[in-house]
Amino acid sequence: EAGVTQFPSHSVIEKGQTVTLRCDPISGHDNLYWYRRVMGKEIKFLLHFVKESKQDESGMPNNRFLAERTGGTYSTLKVQPAELEDSGVYFCASSQAALMDEQFFGPGTRLTVL
Amino acid sequence: AQSVTQLDSQVPVFEEAPVELRCNYSSSVSVYLFWYVQYPNQGLQLLLKYLSGSTLVKGINGFEAEFNKSQTSFHLRKPSVHISDTAEYFCAVRSSARQLTFGSGTQLTVLP
Repeated sequence: EAGVTQFPSHSVIEKGQTVTLRCDPISGHDNLYWYRRVMGKEIKFLLHFVKESKQDESGMPNNRFLAERTGGTYSTLKVQPAELEDSGVYFCASSQAALMDEQFFGPGTRLTVL
Repeated sequence: AQSVTQLDSQVPVFEEAPVELRCNYSSSVSVYLFWYVQYPNQGLQLLLKYLSGSTLVKGINGFEAEFNKSQTSFHLRKPSVHISDTAEYFCAVRSSARQLTFGSGTQLTVLP
């Protein structure tokens, strides 16, 4: 069974540009999460989808971040326009329906904004 | 609100020695506790979790952790480490909400 995949693995962009990160969850997982780790700090929750609906987006830092999950399958996270402080590693995780089901994490996308 | 403190950012230890990675949490509600490990260029992998019941939890790769409610701690231990245990370890908590709250991570380096 394929795990959670993320694309790209690395992205280097200039301040002001737009970047779109993609996450493909494990097939059949209704729950999809985005997290971010800024260098040297803790991994922080960004938002949670249940199928195609945003269940909780309390961690989204500002309106430059837009997450979508069309059709309840893969998800994208767009940053527009990117700022220096957006640099970090963006993790995606997915889980099945039950509350205590394990979250399976992808390898992350390392975003560098110059 | 809940938070997690991992007291050591770096832990060097010699091969076959025991190790303890410390984790303390704060929360106004009951929580569930987790330890994740991240090997280089990989995603986070669940090591073990405490949901309820026995306070001593055994996980993969010979790791175990003990939930101590009075001290609000969930320290991770292994009696004898291997070179392959070199990785970054994250303690995390969650309440009824689904999202995880992580500590800042502990880099475990096992020396030959």
